[in-house]
Amino acid sequence: AQKVTQAQTEISVVEKEDVTLDCVYETRDTTYYLFWYKQPPSGELVFLIRRNSFDEQNEISGRYSWNFQKSTSSFNFTITASQVVDSAVYFCALEGSGGSNYKLTFGKGTLLTVNP
Amino acid sequence: DTEVTQTPKHLVMGMTNKKSLKCEQHMGHRAMYWYKQKAKKPPELMFVYSYEKLSINESVPSRFSPECPNSSLLNLHLHALQPEDSALYLCASSQVPTGDNLAKNIQYFGAGTRLSVL
Repeated sequence: AQKVTQAQTEISVVEKEDVTLDCVYETRDTTYYLFWYKQPPSGELVFLIRRNSFDEQNEISGRYSWNFQKSTSSFNFTITASQVVDSAVYFCALEGSGGSNYKLTFGKGTLLTVNP
Repeated sequence: DTEVTQTPKHLVMGMTNKKSLKCEQHMGHRAMYWYKQKAKKPPELMFVYSYEKLSINESVPSRFSPECPNSSLLNLHLHALQPEDSALYLCASSQVPTGDNLAKNIQYFGAGTRLSVL
């Protein structure tokens, strides 16, 4: 069975602070894909990043960065110099390859509130 | 263009009504999905269509009836719903995942339809 744990239910920061959202996953698949989605109050899930299990290179995109560590089964997401527009629910998700194509296993989400 | 369009944005219906949710994408994707999301919960997969054929039904009650009339459109027909069916219904699309292109299987979501059943 696959599982994604986002232990932080809610995080509140002040604008310009850095914030890290944690994601820990479990899977028996050797090939799998990890995702982060952002869901603002409008409701749409916005795709942020996809990572495959063979690529542990960290990635940076503007103020966003992701730290993938297979040794600890973690795929953490850091927002640098947070802004009010970053306020949203962030979901980490896992897709396996062993007969579970199509299916995303989502974590419960982390509600990030960035205060001015 | 990664746009998935859902209509209507909001829907209020009685338990005896029949209504439909619509989803459209023009990204050339041949896999389309319906998800249900309750407040403060992650999305839950309901149905998956692949090449316009129903591929996955996650044991969804028959009062929800999906339809994929063509490769760009996905409908969800609603009949005799219960108040507990009130939720955000999200549509998504992606390339059809195969052994060669799993890396491209990114699901793109619409903004959803907020459904209230009275």
